[in-house]
Amino acid sequence: GESVGLHLPTLSVQEGDNSIINCAYSNSASDYFIWYKQESGKGPQFIIDIRSNMDKRQGQRVTVLLNKTVKHLSLQIAATQPGDSAVYFCAEGNRLAFGKGNQVVVIP
Amino acid sequence: EAGVAQSPRYKIIEKRQSVAFWCNPISGHATLYWYQQILGQGPKLLIQFQNNGVVDDSQLPKDRFSAERLKGVDSTLKIQPAKLEDSAVYLCASSLTSVGQALYGYTFGSGTRLTVV
Repeated sequence: GESVGLHLPTLSVQEGDNSIINCAYSNSASDYFIWYKQESGKGPQFIIDIRSNMDKRQGQRVTVLLNKTVKHLSLQIAATQPGDSAVYFCAEGNRLAFGKGNQVVVIP
Repeated sequence: EAGVAQSPRYKIIEKRQSVAFWCNPISGHATLYWYQQILGQGPKLLIQFQNNGVVDDSQLPKDRFSAERLKGVDSTLKIQPAKLEDSAVYLCASSLTSVGQALYGYTFGSGTRLTVV
């Protein structure tokens, strides 16, 4: 089955800097991916999604890049704020298979 | 739009006891999911419903876990008997789907934190 995983367990970033979270997937047939943010004590919250017919998608302060050749996607957060501190998951969207998560800690 | 509602918020039980969780999805969402999230890990899919039918329960420990969605709306997840390793957050999610593919991002509830002692 497919698996989705993240490279870095914890990312510490200075407030105002940009954050980049990486994710690899194993199933080349996967065509839909979702990034979630999970704050302590809450369920995962949808951030942004991307389908395989796109290489890049932008939202408010977030950008997702998809590289199908190497089966890699990333989430970029611009001007990171303290409220961005959370665990971020990438997920394969059709099966909603989650990776292990990446903790982002924003340093004021 | 109201979110996905789950109850109870917290539950502490002794091992070998039974427990049930309830989920009310977003109105009109045909697909409902139950996830188990152990501390420090990503959510793991337990079961997926499409309306009142089971789409995927391959990772549901059927010897002790059961779930139902009788009228295609609310759902309950039950554990009987509970084990220590069942301590986790149980998340419910729903989505508006078409032909097995989500049209929009899934919406999660806040979860039920289960502690088995």
